[in-house]
Amino acid sequence: DQQVKQNSPSLSVQEGRISILNCDYTNSMFDYFLWYKKYPAEGPTFLISISSIKDKNEDGRFTVFLNKSAKHLSLHIVPSQPGDSAVYFCAASPHNTDKLIFGTGTRLQVFP
Amino acid sequence: DVKVTQSSRYLVKRTGEKVFLECVQDMDHENMFWYRQDPGLGLRLIYFSYDVKMKEKGDIPEGYSVSREKKERFSLILESASTNQTSMYLCASSLVGLAGNNEQFFGPGTRLTVL
Repeated sequence: DQQVKQNSPSLSVQEGRISILNCDYTNSMFDYFLWYKKYPAEGPTFLISISSIKDKNEDGRFTVFLNKSAKHLSLHIVPSQPGDSAVYFCAASPHNTDKLIFGTGTRLQVFP
Repeated sequence: DVKVTQSSRYLVKRTGEKVFLECVQDMDHENMFWYRQDPGLGLRLIYFSYDVKMKEKGDIPEGYSVSREKKERFSLILESASTNQTSMYLCASSLVGLAGNNEQFFGPGTRLTVL
């Protein structure tokens, strides 16, 4: 039972354009959401997070939007750069636990 | 700067061997985690430890055990390796999530192949 879903396994975007990565979840008790970025042969690195009491969080080129009624979050990267090419995982934290539940990942390719 | 290190980047073992994967963190984090990453399946939690000698099963603990004798070190043990345990193994650590931000810091991963 996949509680966190990333339905697009891959995304290809031209450099300078916007990349939008999507994530859906099923458990309304998640209270924190995170995005991680992973390059091949490296561990995931934290990118940006959002609390369930907010609907938007911005950090430079990266913005995460949360729509609780739809149980949906998205990561926007503007403008996209070739160095953004990586696998992106969304993760959710259930209430009162330090565990994270990860999605299956979306491979982003930014081409010149 | 948080650092999580894993004992091997690449490991090749034979079916039936006992395998130890070691993870060390230098930030005095209470929580440590072991995941495996497989194509199309994302990161799946194997075991979780929230304190020395404390452990909790994750989503896929079968065939694995763990040991945490010191706060900074968390070991994953494959008692009798099988080919379906060929995977990328990732260790992570985090502070107790007092503010709700449960950011985990990951090691570089160990690519294990079981022949």
